[in-house]
Amino acid sequence: EDKVVQSPLSLVVHEGDTVTLNCSYEVTNFRSLLWYKQEKKAPTFLFMLTSSGIEKKSGRLSSILDKKELFSILNITATQTGDSAVYLCAVVEYGNKLVFGAGTILRVKS
Amino acid sequence: EADIYQTPRYLVIGTGKKITLECSQTMGHDKMYWYQQDPGMELHLIHYSYGVNSTEKGDLSSESTVSRIRTEHFPLTLESARPSHTSQYLCASTGNTEAFFGQGTRLTVV
Repeated sequence: EDKVVQSPLSLVVHEGDTVTLNCSYEVTNFRSLLWYKQEKKAPTFLFMLTSSGIEKKSGRLSSILDKKELFSILNITATQTGDSAVYLCAVVEYGNKLVFGAGTILRVKS
Repeated sequence: EADIYQTPRYLVIGTGKKITLECSQTMGHDKMYWYQQDPGMELHLIHYSYGVNSTEKGDLSSESTVSRIRTEHFPLTLESARPSHTSQYLCASTGNTEAFFGQGTRLTVV
């Protein structure tokens, strides 16, 4: 059965800390891995990863994929209270089947 | 710009009422999904569809039903709403690159 597992389930840090969120997967026909940030409403797209070892960066956020070990990490440096959200990892298989992880709830305290 | 729409955005109804949450996308995506999510909590898959006349239940047991008569339309129906159905409902579809989300329906059953 296809699955995506995120860890930790929740995390509380202080402003300025660096956090690493994990996403491991077991799917039949991997095509891409997606990261989303969700605050109050619909998730917003962060990154799409298709190749191993190529880091994607956007400001203080970065992400990398390891297709051999079947996982991805999302790093957030110098965290701010505005980073508090649910971070979702999803895998898209060939044929566009989507499998989401349960998410990591991040809370950044000032 | 994502072309996936959910209506209504907010709904307050009485116990026992029948309701239908609408989700439409204009991107021609075959695969569509319904998720249930409480504020700040993880996403739970309740229904998905891989094409017209194809619907499956997701991981989270739900008393709702769905239909997929047309590619662009994936409505979710609650025959008899209960307070336990109070939640946010997110609709998504997948294309070749990423998953697209509707803005969500915040349902409150009183």
